[in-house]
Amino acid sequence: AQKVTQAQTEISVVEKEDVTLDCVYETRDTTYYLFWYKQPPSGELVFLIRRNSFDEQNEISGRYSWNFQKSTSSFNFTITASQVVDSAVYFCALSEARRGAQKLVFGQGTRLTINP
Amino acid sequence: GAGVSQSPSNKVTEKGKDVELRCDPISGHTALYWYRQSLGQGLEFLIYFQGNSAPDKSGLPSDRFSAERTGGSVSTLTIQRTQQEDSAVYLCASSLEQYGYTFGSGTRLTVV
Repeated sequence: AQKVTQAQTEISVVEKEDVTLDCVYETRDTTYYLFWYKQPPSGELVFLIRRNSFDEQNEISGRYSWNFQKSTSSFNFTITASQVVDSAVYFCALSEARRGAQKLVFGQGTRLTINP
Repeated sequence: GAGVSQSPSNKVTEKGKDVELRCDPISGHTALYWYRQSLGQGLEFLIYFQGNSAPDKSGLPSDRFSAERTGGSVSTLTIQRTQQEDSAVYLCASSLEQYGYTFGSGTRLTVV
């Protein structure tokens, strides 16, 4: 069975601090996808990244970076120089990589608050 | 439309009544998913449709829940004899296979 664990329920930091959101996953599949989504107060889930299990290269997009380590089954997300607009609930998710539609298995989410 | 549209955005219903929640996916997206987000909980998979294949209903919590997708497009999630524990935000998403799931804004259901 697949499982995603986000151990940090809530994180609160001061603006401009760096913050890392942890994600640990469990799967028996040899190929899979990992995702991060942002859910701002408006409620809509915003796609941030999809990572194939074959690709362990770290990814950087502006102030966002992702560290994928297959050896520890982790896919952590770091925000550098955080801003108030980064305040949201962040979800890590996992899916099989078989052809066709596959359901996402989500973690419980981490509520991130950036204080001015 | 440009995004996934869900209606209504909010629904308050009395316990025991039936409700229907609607999802209009992005045109051309072959897959459609329903998830539920209860207060303080993560997102729970309910059901997904992929083209003409039989839907994966493995996440439906009880036989009071059902969903259909007409013409490979619009989907309706029906909850019969609603209970207070059904109160949640119901999210719909669509995708072209697994690339780029797009979620709607959800329907907030309150059962009183």
